[in-house]
Amino acid sequence: NAGVMQNPRHLVRRRGQEARLRCSPMKGHSHVYWYRQLPEEGLKFMVYLQKENIIDESGMPKERFSAEFPKEGPSILRIQQVVRGDSAAYFCASSQPGQIQNGYTFGSGTRLTVV
Amino acid sequence: GIQVEQSPPDLILQEGANSTLRCNFSDSVNNLQWFHQNPWGQLINLFYIPSGTKQNGRLSATTVATERYSLLYISSSQTTDSGVYFCAASYNQGGKLIFGQGTELSVKP
Repeated sequence: NAGVMQNPRHLVRRRGQEARLRCSPMKGHSHVYWYRQLPEEGLKFMVYLQKENIIDESGMPKERFSAEFPKEGPSILRIQQVVRGDSAAYFCASSQPGQIQNGYTFGSGTRLTVV
Repeated sequence: GIQVEQSPPDLILQEGANSTLRCNFSDSVNNLQWFHQNPWGQLINLFYIPSGTKQNGRLSATTVATERYSLLYISSSQTTDSGVYFCAASYNQGGKLIFGQGTELSVKP
């Protein structure tokens, strides 16, 4: 079991470009969560998805950010027209309802730098 | 929503010392976890402990759900224990985790 896989590990974008972050959940998991960690801060919830459905997007900025988890393939967090304030570490976690006796497992994160 | 507060915010120890980190939460929780974020930024799941006590080597954790707090004990600390320790809670199974601000631990040789 390869765990939660995120790529790329590091991503540099110029202001105004698009950033696409990918998350492949643990094998057998159908739920994915995205979190953002600004420098020197804790993790903040962004969005919770299951396959082809957004369950909770209460932490997602209303503009420029979107997330999807298609039937096939990884979950994608997309940030359009990036600004310097988007520079952060973005973490993904996965779970399978009824099987969280060990809690959530996080990927290694994608560190986005906007220049 | 749930508020999660951790103390102390910073802690400096000599190698070999013991420490206790505290996490207070504002509401009943169904999920409480402790994580270690190492200096490379990786988040390591230490304990899933919505109630009771668990031990794993030099680390142990206790959650008293009725009093809304959890404690993480680190004994005989090592330099590799350095990093930030986060407590996170959610109030429903499968729901989002709310993270505390973390305790930054530095263990000196």
